[in-house]
Order: sequence, then structure tokens, then C-alpha cells
Amino acid sequence: GEQVEQRPPHLSVPEGDSAVIICTYTDSATAYFYWYKQEPGAGLQLLMSVFSNVDRKEEQGLTVLLNKKDKQLSLNLTAAHPGDSAVYFCAVTSGGSNYKLTFGKGTLLTVTP
Amino acid sequence: GGIITQTPKFLIGQEGQKLTLKCQQNFNHDTMYWYRQDSGKGLRLIYYSITENDLQKGDLSEGYDASREKKSSFSLTVTSAQKNEMAVFLCASSMEGANTGQLYFGEGSKLTVL
Repeated sequence: GEQVEQRPPHLSVPEGDSAVIICTYTDSATAYFYWYKQEPGAGLQLLMSVFSNVDRKEEQGLTVLLNKKDKQLSLNLTAAHPGDSAVYFCAVTSGGSNYKLTFGKGTLLTVTP
Repeated sequence: GGIITQTPKFLIGQEGQKLTLKCQQNFNHDTMYWYRQDSGKGLRLIYYSITENDLQKGDLSEGYDASREKKSSFSLTVTSAQKNEMAVFLCASSMEGANTGQLYFGEGSKLTVL
């Protein structure tokens, strides 16, 4: 089945710097890609979603890049601030199913003032 | 806007005990999900339900039962809690399938087995 590797597991950046999280997936037929954010004690909140025909998407200081050749998805937070500190997960639809998401293991981002 | 409510928020059980978690959503979403979150392992799908009375097994269904008796509610039962088990169970819902966009998550139910 689909496998998703996410790195790094922990990331600490000073305020104002950028933070990059990368996921690699195995199924070339994967069509939908997501980034979720989880704050302490809370559920996951969708940050951005992209379909496979999109290479780059930018929204509110976030940039998602999709490299289908290398099966790689990345999230770039530009000018990170302490409020961005959270766990970030990538997720992809998997196994030809429209219902099943396969998640990466998460990245704990800490933005220091 | 809608909300997903999970009860209880914290659940402490004994080894071998049957434990039930409940989830309610008022989005009027068709599809509901149960995920298990373990530290360092991401989220793994236990069961999902496409519509009322439908049940589909995820990747981690062994040791669990689920029930979708109403469109708005989805319950998960741990059939026999394992000693020292500790995990967070997340309920989610979506309009149709995951490919239609967003899954909305509850805040989670934290299970501790003594």
C-alpha cells in the first residue's frame, strides 16, 4: 500500500526564518495531497490541499510544492512566527480509494522568539 | 459552522476491558472516520463509514468495532484494552470522500490502560 515518509520529525527555527517540511510518497497514482496542522490538545486543521495537476500553491505565507517525478510534497512556511509552533502532517489519498488518507508521522515545529 | 464532539475526552480503562468512544458531528456530513494517533507514528485509519449503517475497515481495524446508527454519530469500541496502551483516538467527518477536500477533526479522546 501507499507509504508516506515525512521529515524532519522535529524542526526548530527562530522567528522570521523559513521552515521546510518534506514528504515522499510511493504511489505514482496518488491524486490528492494535504497539509494539516495540529496544535496541542486539538484535532487536525486543514492548511492546504492540492490536486496532482498543481505544481505550486501559495496561500497566506505557506507554499506547497509538488514534485510528481520524485514523488515529493513539501510545505514551506515563510517568515515563521511563534504561533506557527505545532505538529504538521502531510496526507495523501491512497490505494485508489477516495476515502482513505495515508498520513505522514508528523513534524513538530518550534518557532523560537 | 459545525463542530465535532468526542466523548469522553479522557478514558482510563483496565486490561481486557471493553471501552467505547463516541463522536457526534453537526455538519450533516456523509462520511465519518476513526483514526488512532500514537506518538511518532502519525495517524492510522481504524474504521470509516460512508453513510448511515455503513462500515468500512481501515488499516488498523483488528481489536476494534464500530457503529454508525445515525448519520450524525459514529462510535468506536476497543474490544479488549491492552495493558499499558496509550493513544489518542481522533474522529473526523467529511462531505462525501476525502478527495472532496477537507476532513474536520474532533479534539481527540485520550485512552490510558492501566
